[in-house]
Amino acid sequence: QVQLVQSGAEVKKPGASVKVSCKASGYTFTNYEINWVRQAPGQGLEWMGWMNVNSGNTGYAQKFQGRVTMARDTSISTAYMELTSLRSEDTAIYYCARGNGQLYLARFDYWGQGTLVSVSS
Amino acid sequence: QSVLTQPPSASGTPGQRVTISCSGSSSNIESLYVYWYQQLPGTAPKLLIYRNNQRPSGVPDRFSGSKSGTSASLAISGLRSEDEADYYCAAWDDNLSGWVFGGGTKLTVL
Repeated sequence: QVQLVQSGAEVKKPGASVKVSCKASGYTFTNYEINWVRQAPGQGLEWMGWMNVNSGNTGYAQKFQGRVTMARDTSISTAYMELTSLRSEDTAIYYCARGNGQLYLARFDYWGQGTLVSVSS
Repeated sequence: QSVLTQPPSASGTPGQRVTISCSGSSSNIESLYVYWYQQLPGTAPKLLIYRNNQRPSGVPDRFSGSKSGTSASLAISGLRSEDEADYYCAAWDDNLSGWVFGGGTKLTVL
């Protein structure tokens, strides 16, 4: 069965960076995209960006340009999302989601369990 | 505020039919597909409807989606207590070159 298992919760200070991992299993990792979506406490969903796992090509939401990097290691079927220059407003649950279909036609059909990133001095 | 507009809350009694609206623009809903996600309390979102009105396997046919112009709707018939959740619409936005979500609608089953 398809599974996306994310790394554990993180506590960071303002200005620091965080790297969240998302390990995929149950399907051919390179055949699907990985998207990252975050959810601040009590708030809605916010898309951060996507990655073509096969090519490594990425696309980021304008809001996160310059601060986010998405990467993958196909040998271990793992995707990564790194966010730098953290501020308190980045406190959120970060989800990876499999994109089934190409870019704007993709549906997010499987989600990771989420990783809580807390940013506090 | 969100690019897609949803009512913050909706409610119904068991067995009732409820609808949740999602309003967008020509650069998102009107030009491409709408997706709906269900988020039960304390869990990750789950795909409910894709490409306007398609249900993934395992999603009951009580859930249906529709789209007209710059708006879309999610309908839930035969409302059940386990439908109590947050519902989000989503669409690709051509102007932003990215996915946009509605603010979410909290559904309460009375």
